[in-house]
Amino acid sequence: GDSVTQMEGPVTLSEEAFLTINCTYTATGYPSLFWYVQYPGEGLQLLLKATKADDKGSNKGFEATYRKETTSFHLEKGSVQVSDSAVYFCARSGAGSYQLTFGKGTKLSVIP
Amino acid sequence: GAGVSQSPSNKVTEKGKDVELRCDPISGHTALYWYRQRLGQGLEFLIYFQGNSAPDKSGLPSDRFSAERTGESVSTLTIQRTQQEDSAVYLCASSGTSGTSYEQYFGPGTRLTVT
Repeated sequence: GDSVTQMEGPVTLSEEAFLTINCTYTATGYPSLFWYVQYPGEGLQLLLKATKADDKGSNKGFEATYRKETTSFHLEKGSVQVSDSAVYFCARSGAGSYQLTFGKGTKLSVIP
Repeated sequence: GAGVSQSPSNKVTEKGKDVELRCDPISGHTALYWYRQRLGQGLEFLIYFQGNSAPDKSGLPSDRFSAERTGESVSTLTIQRTQQEDSAVYLCASSGTSGTSYEQYFGPGTRLTVT
């Protein structure tokens, strides 16, 4: 079935460091891909999305590119801030369906 | 506008009791989803509603779990005879059906603790 594998955490970075969180997905169908973020004490929020191959999703300085050839959707940010500390989830839609399949989440801590 | 809301935010119950969790989706969203998030795990799909019908119940972990949706709005997830392994955060999400991006908007969740 569908699955999403993302880099295990926790990840600790200094402020202004470069961030990459790896995510790969099973290649069934033509899924949409998502990054969700869960800030401490808050609900899950959509961070960015991409709906087809070579699309780049971006928001709040974060970017991810839908790479069909490597079945990847890695999350990147050039300079992280303390306020980026959160748990990040990669997800894919089902093949032509509604259900989202999530990775296990990567906890990011940014220290001043 | 208002987002997805869930109640209660926290629920502590004794093993063997029944619990009901409520979800109010974004107004006008026809699709509604329930997920479970166990400690340190990703989200586990439970059930999906399109309107008032549930075409996919495949994620419900046992027959102790049921859900219903009325008036294409509020949904309740019921867990009967709760067990300690039911302890988790239960998340509800909703989406519209236009487009193909399947973007889902999540509520804050209900943290269920079974003692």
